[in-house]
Amino acid sequence: EAQVTQNPRYLITVTGKKLTVTCSQNMNHEYMSWYRQDPGLGLRQIYYSMNVEVTDKGDVPEGYKVSRKEKRNFPLILESPSPNQTSLYFCASSPTAGTATYEQYFGPGTRLTVT
Amino acid sequence: QKEVEQNSGPLSVPEGAIASLNCTYSDRVSQSFFWYRQYSGKSPELIMSIYSNGDKEDGRFTAQLNKASQYVSLLIRDSQPSDSATYLCAVTGTYKYIFGTGTRLKVLA
Repeated sequence: EAQVTQNPRYLITVTGKKLTVTCSQNMNHEYMSWYRQDPGLGLRQIYYSMNVEVTDKGDVPEGYKVSRKEKRNFPLILESPSPNQTSLYFCASSPTAGTATYEQYFGPGTRLTVT
Repeated sequence: QKEVEQNSGPLSVPEGAIASLNCTYSDRVSQSFFWYRQYSGKSPELIMSIYSNGDKEDGRFTAQLNKASQYVSLLIRDSQPSDSATYLCAVTGTYKYIFGTGTRLKVLA
């Protein structure tokens, strides 16, 4: 089954404790992306990756890191989480053709609470 | 700041009616346009994609794009209670996606 998976689905952590949210897709998509979703603010792009070893900032990259060492995986790293990073996080992947990107397929989401 | 604007709603329509959802965007170089449906606490799922001016129909859904007016809309015919959800408009140019905050649709049985 074609899908995007994320782990963990739920996470409660404390301020400053480094964490990683994993994302994996089995559709051989070049493009992958991370979003956070907050009430009233909608989906905001954190980072995206056009292909292996190629990443760029979205609209809200502060406090996050990413890496793309393999085509299928795109982990999101919070090196020193703070309460304002409490949010619902989605990973997504998309096929590309040249510089054009197409419809995205979303993972199930990770609900993160930082206390 | 590139923006995508949607009326937050809720938009209430009776069962069987046509629901009309609208979206405007600010970046003229936008190339691809998408409508996603999102149920509460779930991930967005693609409803329609549209890349050129005009209408695109898929079952009960029709997407309309007018690049000159920077406007994209979604029509849902024969609305069903199961269509009650938040509908997100998304726009992309080169690699970056911008989402609207969504319109909440309520279909009344």
